[in-house]
Amino acid sequence: QAVVTQEPSLTVSPGGTVTLTCDSSTGAVTSGHYPYWFLQKPGQVPTTLIYDATNKYSWTPARFSGSLLGGKAALTLSGAQPEDEAVYYCLLRYSSGWVFGGGTKLTVL
Amino acid sequence: EVELVESGGGLVQPGGSLRLSCVASGLTFSSYWMTWVRQAPGKGLEWVANINQGASAKYYVASVRGRFTISRDNAKNSLYLQMNSLRADDTAVYYCLSGTYYDYWGQGTLVTVSS
Repeated sequence: QAVVTQEPSLTVSPGGTVTLTCDSSTGAVTSGHYPYWFLQKPGQVPTTLIYDATNKYSWTPARFSGSLLGGKAALTLSGAQPEDEAVYYCLLRYSSGWVFGGGTKLTVL
Repeated sequence: EVELVESGGGLVQPGGSLRLSCVASGLTFSSYWMTWVRQAPGKGLEWVANINQGASAKYYVASVRGRFTISRDNAKNSLYLQMNSLRADDTAVYYCLSGTYYDYWGQGTLVTVSS
């Protein structure tokens, strides 16, 4: 089974910009992996932020954007807010099913 | 408003069985793939299984293949996960997901496998 790797933790200053990445053990992440990004705050159910690498939902704040960057899926947060402190997970599709990354704990400090 | 409500979790001994249910409302259930995702205490998310609209395609994570069975009843707007030969590492909150793009999550149901 493929392994999906994310940064374990990142820190961003309020108002700053940070990019989280999502890597696949099988090679470059492409649109064919249909990358998703989810956000989970402590004690809460996860919410879905980005689908198909770059697409947002109606509830996705404009400061979040998704991309494919250097063979990885990426989630960029521009203008970080204290409420963005959370764990972020990516999800990739493979022929045998889907695999989550281990999550990135983002601290806004 | 879309609502997904899971049930059926609880405490079960290793080797035992449990059947989870997820009832959907506010969407045309039969139009969507349905998915189970789990989260062990203090750990990350793990994709478990999904099923297509007509139940003709089912996929499982390797660790549950042969032990868990996903199914659905479109007439009852319901998704199921039959879990057999349960192990301690199956302990987790189990969420059901729906929507065209994993839009909607249920609140989850806790499964604890322990003697």
